[in-house]
Amino acid sequence: SQQGEEDPQALSIQEGENATMNCSYKTSINNLQWYRQNSGRGLVHLILIRSNEREKHSGRLRVTLDTSKKSSSLLITASRAADTASYFCATAPLISGGSNYKLTFGKGTLLTVNP
Amino acid sequence: DAGITQSPRHKVTETGTPVTLRCHQTENHRYMYWYRQDPGHGLRLIHYSYGVKDTDKGEVSDGYSVSRSKTEDFLLTLESATSSQTSVYFCAISPGQGVYEQYFGPGTRLTVT
Repeated sequence: SQQGEEDPQALSIQEGENATMNCSYKTSINNLQWYRQNSGRGLVHLILIRSNEREKHSGRLRVTLDTSKKSSSLLITASRAADTASYFCATAPLISGGSNYKLTFGKGTLLTVNP
Repeated sequence: DAGITQSPRHKVTETGTPVTLRCHQTENHRYMYWYRQDPGHGLRLIHYSYGVKDTDKGEVSDGYSVSRSKTEDFLLTLESATSSQTSVYFCAISPGQGVYEQYFGPGTRLTVT
């Protein structure tokens, strides 16, 4: 079963606008990660936020985490046509041992940035 | 793609035939993973490995087996392929030791007719 669920499933915006995607999950986590996938390619890691962090920035990316609501958001500012891709959240469980290196992925948000 | 390759990149096979997909890494990472990606399901973990000869099942392991005899290679075998195993298969690697990010290969598109 999916741990993370992204919302919305699809998002279409104009170049220069901000894009916000949300992720909800069900169980306690060690960390939450966001990945990007361009059409026909493998996933690329974007950013990781640990369970004791509330916000993290990387370039034009801003991620927030609310563990009380079991939710995260990814904000892409000043979007570009090259940001067009699917975005996935993935959670690492809060358990001991090697199993906390297993990620559970959501179904993704398809972002289209129109020039 | 972080020193990770998959072979073959595309394969068409018939129902009932065995199929082996190979993942090869040059990063010396401890963890290796096999996922399948299907429309409407996102990525689902099939099996993963946490060391040579150490493997464990994922969410959708039925009909699949894996082997890891060397750090750099992780094989996924479909003993008797079925049409429901038509999918895109991704291999990923992760260093472990407190580093949780995964690095993905380019994928293998498998069609079972």
